[in-house]
Amino acid sequence: SQQGEEDPQALSIQEGENATMNCSYKTSINNLQWYRQNSGRGLVHLILIRSNEREKHSGRLRVTLDTSKKSSSLLITASRAADTASYFCATEGKSGGGADGLTFGKGTHLIIQP
Amino acid sequence: GAGVSQSPSNKVTEKGKDVELRCDPISGHTALYWYRQRLGQGLEFLIYFQGNSAPDKSGLPSDRFSAERTGESVSTLTIQRTQQEDSAVYLCASRPTSGSETQYFGPGTRLLVL
Repeated sequence: SQQGEEDPQALSIQEGENATMNCSYKTSINNLQWYRQNSGRGLVHLILIRSNEREKHSGRLRVTLDTSKKSSSLLITASRAADTASYFCATEGKSGGGADGLTFGKGTHLIIQP
Repeated sequence: GAGVSQSPSNKVTEKGKDVELRCDPISGHTALYWYRQRLGQGLEFLIYFQGNSAPDKSGLPSDRFSAERTGESVSTLTIQRTQQEDSAVYLCASRPTSGSETQYFGPGTRLLVL
């Protein structure tokens, strides 16, 4: 079942601006991950944040996690045209040791205008 | 090194026919996942293989769906008597062990049932 919900569903910004996407989830998690998908095909793993972490950085990416609100945000700074893609958050539940797979949201479609 | 590969890339079939989708995980990855992504949606978890353990099939959409994995190598997802609602991208992912959190996705198979 889909428990993650990204917000907004679509986002269009100018190149160079920052893009912020949010994700909410419903159950207890081991970790939350963000993936990027180009042209509706394979997913690329961007960043993982564990349930005991609050913030993580990777290059131009910054992820926050608030387990009390069951929400996360992904910030992409200094956006580039190549960042145009769909972005998904995915959660791994506390039970199952990975056997339940990841639960994905419907994604945010990000368009970077040149 | 080589990533996860899937074949075919695209498959067009007629309603009622059977299809078989193939996934070759990254060598040495013991865990393998199948997901389905309908147009404009997030990924829906289908089934998980870990080593030689019997998989939990409860995530499969119907009894027309089945999946197998030979040891820790190739996996096949079979859809019998395909329906138009089965049209989607089917994605496979692998990861090194059940304790390693990042999943590595293949490019997917786009299935269209006419």
